[in-house]
Amino acid sequence: GESVGLHLPTLSVQEGDNSIINCAYSNSASDYFIWYKQESGKGPQFIIDIRSNMDKRQGQRVTVLLNKTVKHLSLQIAATQPGDSAVYFCAENIGAGGTSYGKLTFGQGTILTVHP
Amino acid sequence: EAQVTQNPRYLITVTGKKLTVTCSQNMNHEYMSWYRQDPGLGLRQIYYSMNVEVTDKGDVPEGYKVSRKEKRNFPLILESPSPNQTSLYFCASSFNGGDTEAFFGQGTRLTVV
Repeated sequence: GESVGLHLPTLSVQEGDNSIINCAYSNSASDYFIWYKQESGKGPQFIIDIRSNMDKRQGQRVTVLLNKTVKHLSLQIAATQPGDSAVYFCAENIGAGGTSYGKLTFGQGTILTVHP
Repeated sequence: EAQVTQNPRYLITVTGKKLTVTCSQNMNHEYMSWYRQDPGLGLRQIYYSMNVEVTDKGDVPEGYKVSRKEKRNFPLILESPSPNQTSLYFCASSFNGGDTEAFFGQGTRLTVV
């Protein structure tokens, strides 16, 4: 079946470095993608989203890149801080085509560890 | 404060004893859903609801029931819990479904012995 996956299950960086977390998706019909951050003991928290008519979107210290040709999504975090340490999930909406069936399919997650 | 509230946060129960996990949102969202999170399997959707009295199965609905009698509440019911339902459960809500940001509750850690 269709699925969303991650290239790297863990990522360790030094404080101040830039982090890049990657995600591959397989459903070409998906038109909405979200990155979530999950800290220990908490629910997933929205970071940034992007629709398929865009290839880049920037937020505060975060940038999401979408490459539809190779079905790849990435999250870039600038000047990574210890507070960024968490599990990061990408998710895709496979209820696409103008209707909102609302089913988000999540990847398994990448653990980001930021060392001071 | 805009939030999704789940109760209880932690629950230990015995096989076969019916339980309900409550979920409430104060954002007037139409869409609500339940997920379970298991190691190595990520978040998987159990049930979702597009509006009051409208519910449908997600990826892993077996052993679960839901109801949506009011817009703000979306309880998850386990009629006869089994040990394979031991998991971390999240309720989420969004304005109109999957193409808008979903807000998640804090989670309910359920253990069935």
